[in-house]
Amino acid sequence: AQSVTQLDSQVPVFEEAPVELRCNYSSSVSVYLFWYVQYPNQGLQLLLKYLSGSTLVKGINGFEAEFNKSQTSFHLRKPSVHISDTAEYFCAVSDRTGGATNKLIFGTGTLLAVQP
Amino acid sequence: DVKVTQSSRYLVKRTGEKVFLECVQDMDHENMFWYRQDPGLGLRLIYFSYDVKMKEKGDIPEGYSVSREKKERFSLILESASTNQTSMYLCASSLSGGGNTEAFFGQGTRLTVV
Repeated sequence: AQSVTQLDSQVPVFEEAPVELRCNYSSSVSVYLFWYVQYPNQGLQLLLKYLSGSTLVKGINGFEAEFNKSQTSFHLRKPSVHISDTAEYFCAVSDRTGGATNKLIFGTGTLLAVQP
Repeated sequence: DVKVTQSSRYLVKRTGEKVFLECVQDMDHENMFWYRQDPGLGLRLIYFSYDVKMKEKGDIPEGYSVSREKKERFSLILESASTNQTSMYLCASSLSGGGNTEAFFGQGTRLTVV
């Protein structure tokens, strides 16, 4: 069964500093990878996704992620964070076995706390 | 603007009550999902549905059931609410496909069972 590991439950960072949120997945099959963001008291929204092609994926709000198949990782980065980036970030994986549904398997989340 | 709407943002129910959480999407999506979100545990899949009247168990289906009588509506039912079902519940929908489609989420229902 697939699983997603987000090793950091919380990442404190100062405003305008760079940040990396780590995500590793365990799967022996090809996968699709996603990052979602949840702002306080809201549902989740998609930041970016990797389906195929270039391993560097750009998303909304200046975030990007790099797919590394050999390390089974999909780390999220931003070169300069803002206070408004404070939120919880979830990595998710879905496999390419096809079928009628895409079950997303989520990590436990990383709280990004941006300090002034 | 795409929308997944959950009927309540906050609910307080008593132990033993039958609880209905409703979710409606306006995107004509085939797939609908119910997740439970708890601190430190992330999102865990309770049930999902890939078509009207079709459902499959997720990772934590015990104590829950679902109903999908119309394509746009997916209901989560707690047959007899218990305090360990106090949680945030998130509904999502997506197009059918091979796993590469985006899931759209509702705002969540925070359920407290007392």
